[in-house]
Amino acid sequence: DVKVTQSSRYLVKRTGEKVFLECVQDMDHENMFWYRQDPGLGLRLIYFSYDVKMKEKGDIPEGYSVSREKKERFSLILESASTNQTSMYLCAMRAPEGELFFGEGSRLTVL
Amino acid sequence: TQLLEQSPQFLSIQEGENLTVYCNSSSVFSSLQWYRQEPGEGPVLLVTVVTGGEVKKLKRLTFQFGDARKDSSLHITAAQPGDTGLYLCAGARQAGTALIFGKGTTLSVSS
Repeated sequence: DVKVTQSSRYLVKRTGEKVFLECVQDMDHENMFWYRQDPGLGLRLIYFSYDVKMKEKGDIPEGYSVSREKKERFSLILESASTNQTSMYLCAMRAPEGELFFGEGSRLTVL
Repeated sequence: TQLLEQSPQFLSIQEGENLTVYCNSSSVFSSLQWYRQEPGEGPVLLVTVVTGGEVKKLKRLTFQFGDARKDSSLHITAAQPGDTGLYLCAGARQAGTALIFGKGTTLSVSS
């Protein structure tokens, strides 16, 4: 079974803190994605990566950065967390056939 | 601009009823996917449709891709409480590009 693992299911951080969200896949696929999911807004693409050290901005990259040093790991970084970044964050990996495999999500609360 | 419009946003029905969820766009997509998400979990792929006019069946679920590849529908026959969840459509404008998600339809089936 394909597995996408997100490091933290629940996090509570304070405004201004730096936040790392990590995502690891157990396949050798190139494409990985970070989405945030908010009620009434659906899934919005933050960043994606199509290979090691490669990254592309999605629809809402402001306030975020990413790191892809190894193929299996794609990290989302909030340099200075703000309350409007409270959300559910979903990491996904795309199989060659096009299917997205998602992690279980990381629910971040910024106080 | 929301490229993929899903309707209805919420649906609450009784066990045994039929329902249809719609996913519409003014843009052409190379493929459309339907995902189902349960609370606390990441979305899971149900089906991918790639050919205009295509119809795919998955037990009680029937998926259709419009002839012009701009819209899709999901029909559930004799809904069951286990069908409860968030249904998301997602489309790729071109093969290999990042998926665009609709805002989702929250389905609640009561017994």
